Amino acid sequence: DTGVSQDPRHKITKRGQNVTFRCDPISEHNRLYWYRQTLGQGPEFLTYFQNEAQLEKSRLLSDRFSAERPKGSFSTLEIQRTEQGDSAMYLCASSLVGNSYEQYFGPGTRLTVT
Amino acid sequence: AQSVAQPEDQVNVAEGNPLTVKCTYSVSGNPYLFWYVQYPNRGLQFLLKYITGDNLVKGSYGFEAEFNKSQTSFHLKKPSALVSDSALYFCAVRDMGNTDKLIFGTGTRLQVFP
Repeated sequence: DTGVSQDPRHKITKRGQNVTFRCDPISEHNRLYWYRQTLGQGPEFLTYFQNEAQLEKSRLLSDRFSAERPKGSFSTLEIQRTEQGDSAMYLCASSLVGNSYEQYFGPGTRLTVT
Repeated sequence: AQSVAQPEDQVNVAEGNPLTVKCTYSVSGNPYLFWYVQYPNRGLQFLLKYITGDNLVKGSYGFEAEFNKSQTSFHLKKPSALVSDSALYFCAVRDMGNTDKLIFGTGTRLQVFP
């Protein structure tokens, strides 16, 4: 399967701990997105990479959040000093510039902060 | 600012009957519109999109959507519902900036009864 993969699928952590999620996009896709989805809501944009450059960050992305995409391949999203309000599904998507704007989503990482 | 609205939290339909899931949009300029489906504990799966051209767009799993510019709507339809269509459906619009990020509605839960 050559779709978008995310790891881990589930993460339970205690408040104040740091967590890191990984996303592996479809191999030829040069754009990568992170979204956050809370219960009863649609996904909300967090940040976006074109190749290795992080080109936009949402105001939702506080200073405790950082994302990287070294070498323009996989991406990591780190949350420092987690809070209960960070509990959500974190979705990664990728797309290919000029390919009709379709984004392909991974299965998500569900974070629970206790 | 671009936005989409899904006025129904839930739609119930009997198997074999036609279904409609509603979406209205608000954008400046020509909209790029999408429908995604989400099954429990899964990421989003692309169903179909409208970029330009025919107002009736056909997509995966027998779904179609009708773009109506005068009513600013992009309703999802299927002639004959299946129990397996039961899922959460999201309408989305492409942001008009340079990132192609998607702005999602709050979702509509479709329940198809046998």
